[in-house]
Formats: sequence, structure tokens, C-alpha cells
Amino acid sequence: DQQVKQNSPSLSVQEGRISILNCDYTNSMFDYFLWYKKYPAEGPTFLISISSIKDKNEDGRFTVFLNKSAKHLSLHIVPSQPGDSAVYFCAATTSGTYKYIFGTGTRLKVLA
Amino acid sequence: SQTIHQWPATLVQPVGSPLSLECTVEGTSNPNLYWYRQAAGRGLQLLFYSVGIGQISSEVPQNLSASRPQDRQFILSSKKLLLSDSGFYLCAWSKSPRGPAEAFFGQGTRLTVV
Repeated sequence: DQQVKQNSPSLSVQEGRISILNCDYTNSMFDYFLWYKKYPAEGPTFLISISSIKDKNEDGRFTVFLNKSAKHLSLHIVPSQPGDSAVYFCAATTSGTYKYIFGTGTRLKVLA
Repeated sequence: SQTIHQWPATLVQPVGSPLSLECTVEGTSNPNLYWYRQAAGRGLQLLFYSVGIGQISSEVPQNLSASRPQDRQFILSSKKLLLSDSGFYLCAWSKSPRGPAEAFFGQGTRLTVV
């Protein structure tokens, strides 16, 4: 049972444009959501997170939006840069469970 | 600042051989510790997590086991490796607060079982 889903395995975007990465979840008990960036042969790096009490969180070029009714979150990267090319994972957790459930990832390629 | 160390970075092991991967965290106490695996072309699968010394929760029945002999040490083991154990293994830690927090990952171990 895939509780966190990233239905787009890959995405290509021109440098300077907006990248939008999507994530859907099924477990309504999730109350904290995270985005990670991963380069090949390296561990994931934390990017940004959002609590279920918010619908938006912004950090520099990265903004995460949460739509609880749709059980959907998205990561916006503006402007996209070639260095943003990586695999992006969304993850979710529930307070007190200590477990982070990850999606399958979306490979972003930013074209110069 | 907190750091997480995971070794070795790469490992090639024959089928049927034992496995021991080690992970240590510095700069924090009583962390939650995790082992994840990323199989080729797949997402991150949670294998084990631990909220304290000697406390291990297993998420997926498999050929692997985990132990936490010390507060900041987490070990992934197998008595006899299978071909299907190949993958990229990641150790992670998170704080143990009242509410959720970010998890931070090590650099990973690429395990190839031949």
C-alpha cells in the first residue's frame, strides 16, 4: 500500500522557469510533510517541510503548498537552476509515530 | 552541529555471506534512528527504526536485522545475504521532540550482492 505517491517519475524544465513537483497521500493521519533532494550515490538532503496546520511554506526559491482536502502537496522551485537537477522525494509522517513514509521520487532535469 | 556517519560507502558481497553496516550520529543525544533502502529505480523503503537503545521496530519482513547497542549507534545486519538484498542503504536520524521534525540522512552504502 503506497501511502505517499509521486505519479510523475520525471520532469524537464527550462532554466529560469518554474518547476512544480507533485505528491499525493492517502493517510489522513499524516500531519507533517517534507521534501528532499537526492543526487546519485548520495543521501537525501532535506529541503523544506510543512505542518498540516499550514497551507504554504516558503524558503527562498522553494515553496511547498499543502491541500489537505485533496491530500495533495506540491513543491515549487522558482527560478529553476541547472543545479536543481536531482531526484526529489516527498515524505510524510504522523506525530508520535516516528516513521517517515517516502514517495517513489521525481527526477527533475533543468535544461540550460 | 549534528553529523551522521555511515560506512562503508560501497560493498560487494557474495551470496550467503554476512553483512554489517554501521551508522553513528554525533552532536545529539537520544535520536530516533532509521535504516532505509533504495532499490534500483525505486523509492525509499523504511526497513527499521529505533527510538531508544535496544528498541527496534521492523517495517518489512526480510532477511535483515537491526540493532542499537549504544544511544547513537545503529547497525544493519544479515547472516546470509540474498541477491535481492542489493541496493542503496541509508541511515537517518531525527530529533525526539514532542512533535515531528526533519530526518537527516547519511551518505549511504551501495551494496551489491553477487
